[in-house]
Amino acid sequence: GQNIDQPTEMTATEGAIVQINCTYQTSGFNGLFWYQQHAGEAPTFLSYNVLDGLEEKGRFSSFLSRSKGYSYLLLKELQMKDSASYLCALPGGYQKVTFGIGTKLQVIP
Amino acid sequence: NAGVTQTPKFRILKIGQSMTLQCAQDMNHNYMYWYRQDPGMGLKLIYYSVGAGITDKGEVPNGYNVSRSTTEDFPLRLELAAPSQTSVYFCASSWGRDTDTQYFGPGTRLTVL
Repeated sequence: GQNIDQPTEMTATEGAIVQINCTYQTSGFNGLFWYQQHAGEAPTFLSYNVLDGLEEKGRFSSFLSRSKGYSYLLLKELQMKDSASYLCALPGGYQKVTFGIGTKLQVIP
Repeated sequence: NAGVTQTPKFRILKIGQSMTLQCAQDMNHNYMYWYRQDPGMGLKLIYYSVGAGITDKGEVPNGYNVSRSTTEDFPLRLELAAPSQTSVYFCASSWGRDTDTQYFGPGTRLTVL
């Protein structure tokens, strides 16, 4: 089986840096996704990590440690438009993906 | 490309009514999925399809049915609607297996009263 844990909510200040953590348990690791979901909208792809380490994409970076069952999403230079839920997700084989409940990030001025 | 489209955007049903949620994609993706999302519960997989004519159950299939007669379309049928089916429904598609990025439609917000 698969299990994903994420904090439910976080608050951060505009212009700051925030780290959103995701811990997971899985019987077979096939990579880890991060999706962004604005309120009332569909999830959209942010990143996919399959190897250990940090991957940077502009203001967003994603880190993976397979040995620790741990990933985080790092958002730099926060903007108001970054207020959204961030979903950690695990491919589970058999064409299925398990999604975490998501971390709702509120960016305040 | 329109991507993944869903209709309707909103719907209110009475208990016991039936309806079909429509989903279409124009990216020639083989894989299509139906999820429901409830507050604090995350996305739950209802049904998925790996190609025309092939469908399989996900985590929460009870009360739903699907069909996939073409690559483009993947409708979700609700029979005998119940209040427990009040949710936001997302359709998604991907090129290949579970390690490929999924592209989501805008969602259908369904209320059963």
